Amino acid sequence: AQRVTQPEKLLSVFKGAPVELKCNYSYSGSPELFWYVQYSRQRLQLLLRHISRESIKGFTADLNKGETSFHLKKPFAQEEDSAMYYCALSPWGGGKLIFGQGTELSVKP
Amino acid sequence: NAGVTQTPKFQVLKTGQSMTLQCAQDMNHEYMSWYRQDPGMGLRLIHYSVGAGITDQGEVPNGYNVSRSTTEDFPLRLLSAAPSQTSVYFCASSYDSTPSYEQYFGPGTRLTVT
Repeated sequence: AQRVTQPEKLLSVFKGAPVELKCNYSYSGSPELFWYVQYSRQRLQLLLRHISRESIKGFTADLNKGETSFHLKKPFAQEEDSAMYYCALSPWGGGKLIFGQGTELSVKP
Repeated sequence: NAGVTQTPKFQVLKTGQSMTLQCAQDMNHEYMSWYRQDPGMGLRLIHYSVGAGITDQGEVPNGYNVSRSTTEDFPLRLLSAAPSQTSVYFCASSYDSTPSYEQYFGPGTRLTVT
């Protein structure tokens, strides 16, 4: 079964601390993986995707096929990073996005 | 470009009523989809379309109907509203269905069924 699991509902850190938002997936094949972010009162938007190997706003994510994980990391959290983060999987050629439950990140001053 | 627009922003329905949630995009995207967002469950795919005249079911299609007569519009119809359909609904679009292309989301419609 295709599934994305984000084990943490809420993650609270202080400004300047490292952040790691966990994402595990279940898929028999090679999916494409994404992180989407929803800031307060804004629409859902793409943060980064595995296919691009990019770093956006200081965030990176590494695909670990052995552990079927795609954790999102940032070395030094900022208050403006506070938002809801969703990990998502897309089977190649399908166009569908399968989302995890979401993790709310709260960065305190 | 307005991007992906959705109307209305808020709606309250009584059980058994029907309504249509509107979604439009002005980016000439072929792929469009509808999701519902529920607390603790993330976003779940309701229906999607890979082009005008072509639609298919997603993970949670029961109680919803869609059609795609133009590239720009992808309305979602609730046939007989139930309290279980209380949710936030998001429309999304992308250039095509391959993961290479970013999906753009609308601002959402918050629906309450009493």
